[in-house]
Amino acid sequence: EVLLVESGGGLVQPGGSLRLSCAASGFTFDDFAMHWVRQAPGRGLEWVSGISWNSGFTVYADSVKGRFTISRDNAKNSLYLQMNSLRTEDTAFYYCTKDRGYQWNYETRFEHWGLGTLVTVSS
Amino acid sequence: QSALTQPASVSGSPGQSITISCNGTSSDVGGYNYVSWYQQLPGKAPKLIIFDVSSRPSGVSNRFSGSKSGTTASLTISGLQAEDQADYYCTSYRSSSTPYVFGTGTKVTVL
Repeated sequence: EVLLVESGGGLVQPGGSLRLSCAASGFTFDDFAMHWVRQAPGRGLEWVSGISWNSGFTVYADSVKGRFTISRDNAKNSLYLQMNSLRTEDTAFYYCTKDRGYQWNYETRFEHWGLGTLVTVSS
Repeated sequence: QSALTQPASVSGSPGQSITISCNGTSSDVGGYNYVSWYQQLPGKAPKLIIFDVSSRPSGVSNRFSGSKSGTTASLTISGLQAEDQADYYCTSYRSSSTPYVFGTGTKVTVL
């Protein structure tokens, strides 16, 4: 069974930083691209960032480009999201998701989701 | 980056069929046959229910079906049941600097 468990959320002041983690199990982690998707409380889904199986290709939404960095450690079956210069509009549940294949592309689908971790940006 | 357009809410009685539309452009829905749909039950994480426009993952009820015509994708729920009450989102690849876009979401209410 695929299991994705996010952690690292919490309360942070505007301009601050936070690092999210996602522990993966139940599949061969380094065979798949991974993504972060967020959802502000009571709002819709927003794709944030994606990374290929070997970290060779990363991609970001315009809304977080230059502030967020996605990474992975295949030896630890873990995905990360380093979030800097946080803004109030970054407040959301952040979900770790597994892609269908090793590289994100036009065929991407978000096959499995974690339960999410809440990030609150507020003074 | 504008989201794909979905109706805010759709409702139906048990046993009825309902259809949720997902309107995009030639740069996203109209340009690729890789639209997927997600069901989000209250307080839960989203779940993939349709991929590649009309395919269902193993274990998803065949009451869920997908289709596409031009720049509009659609999700149909047949034989509506109380357990189908949830939010539904479409998504597509978009040929832009932000490559993945979700729909605005549709709240399905079973009367």
